[in-house]
Amino acid sequence: DQQVKQNSPSLSVQEGRISILNCDYTNSMFDYFLWYKKYPAEGPTFLISISSIKDKNEDGRFTVFLNKSAKHLSLHIVPSQPGDSAVYFCAASTNAGNMLTFGGGTRLMVKP
Amino acid sequence: GAGVSQSPRYKVAKRGQDVALRCDPISGHVSLFWYQQALGQGPEFLTYFQNEAQLDKSGLPSDRFFAERPEGSVSTLKIQRTQQEDSAVYLCASSDGLPPYEQYFGPGTRLTVT
Repeated sequence: DQQVKQNSPSLSVQEGRISILNCDYTNSMFDYFLWYKKYPAEGPTFLISISSIKDKNEDGRFTVFLNKSAKHLSLHIVPSQPGDSAVYFCAASTNAGNMLTFGGGTRLMVKP
Repeated sequence: GAGVSQSPRYKVAKRGQDVALRCDPISGHVSLFWYQQALGQGPEFLTYFQNEAQLDKSGLPSDRFFAERPEGSVSTLKIQRTQQEDSAVYLCASSDGLPPYEQYFGPGTRLTVT
């Protein structure tokens, strides 16, 4: 049973427009949610996180929104740039901090 | 500063061979994690250390998998009698153990069992 799901395997966006990546979870014990970006042959790179007590966190072009009642979060990238093309993973942690549970990833392609 | 490093980056093993994968975490990070990533999927948790203590090994797929971190720094993931289904990328990550528990990943070791 997947506790973290990313239902869109891929997303294509024009440069300069907004990219919206979605993530759903089932475990109400998750306290922290994190987004990672991964280029081929590299490890995942941490992008941004949000605590379950917040509904929004912003860092530059990246904003994460959390809807606890719907068990849904999204990552907004504005404006999208070709260098943002990568696989994005949503991950979640309980307050124990003893592991991250990952979604299956969404491949983002930003076209010039 | 230096990030997480892993070696080797690529490993080809014949079925039945033993392999050892090394991870050098970020200096001072108390928490160290191993994940397995199959092609087209997200990383899956294998095991977790806090300093030298292995606190969770619930994700290890079989007793052929063994991990250690004897001095609370470098860690080794060992796979005995490798099988084809062990082919995957093995990722190591470290963290300071504080919320929001962001983990910093190494580049991974791609293991191919032939």
